[in-house]
Amino acid sequence: DQQVKQNSPSLSVQEGRISILNCDYTNSMFDYFLWYKKYPAEGPTFLISISSIKDKNEDGRFTVFLNKSAKHLSLHIVPSQPGDSAVYFCAASARNTGTASKLTFGTGTRLQVTL
Amino acid sequence: EAQVTQNPRYLITVTGKKLTVTCSQNMNHEYMSWYRQDPGLGLRQIYYSMNVEVTDKGDVPEGYKVSRKEKRNFPLILESPSPNQTSLYFCASSFDLGSGANVLTFGAGSRLTVL
Repeated sequence: DQQVKQNSPSLSVQEGRISILNCDYTNSMFDYFLWYKKYPAEGPTFLISISSIKDKNEDGRFTVFLNKSAKHLSLHIVPSQPGDSAVYFCAASARNTGTASKLTFGTGTRLQVTL
Repeated sequence: EAQVTQNPRYLITVTGKKLTVTCSQNMNHEYMSWYRQDPGLGLRQIYYSMNVEVTDKGDVPEGYKVSRKEKRNFPLILESPSPNQTSLYFCASSFDLGSGANVLTFGAGSRLTVL
């Protein structure tokens, strides 16, 4: 049972435009969410995170939005740059249940930013 | 440089031939974990370790063993590899997922093919 879902396997966006990557989750105990970025032949690297007490977190060109009632989060990249082309993984954990050691990942979305 | 180092990066082996994928981190992290990445399934946790001599199963532990005799090392052992263990493996570490930002530092990955 996939508790964290990224329903779009791929996304293509023009340089300078906004990229919106979506993630849905089913476990209501999740209270911390992260986005990781992965380039080919490299391990994932942390990008941005959000706690369930917030609905938005911003870091430069990257903003994560959390809608707890819909169990949905999204990553916005504005403006998109060619270097943003990578696979993006959404991840979640349930820190308040004492299982913070378990980070559940989505299936990933491949973003391609075209010139 | 702070990093997680995995070896080997690439390995082709045959069914039943025991192998070990090593993982070492130089950040004095307490938490370490192994993931496998498969198409359409994202990153799935195999085993994790909260500290030396403390290990626990993740989502897909069957066919794998781990040990944590030293803080810096967390080898993944395949006692009798089978073709369904053909995958891309990632080791990751963190200070403390419970209190902090659940930010994992990943290794570059080990691509394993079992014939």
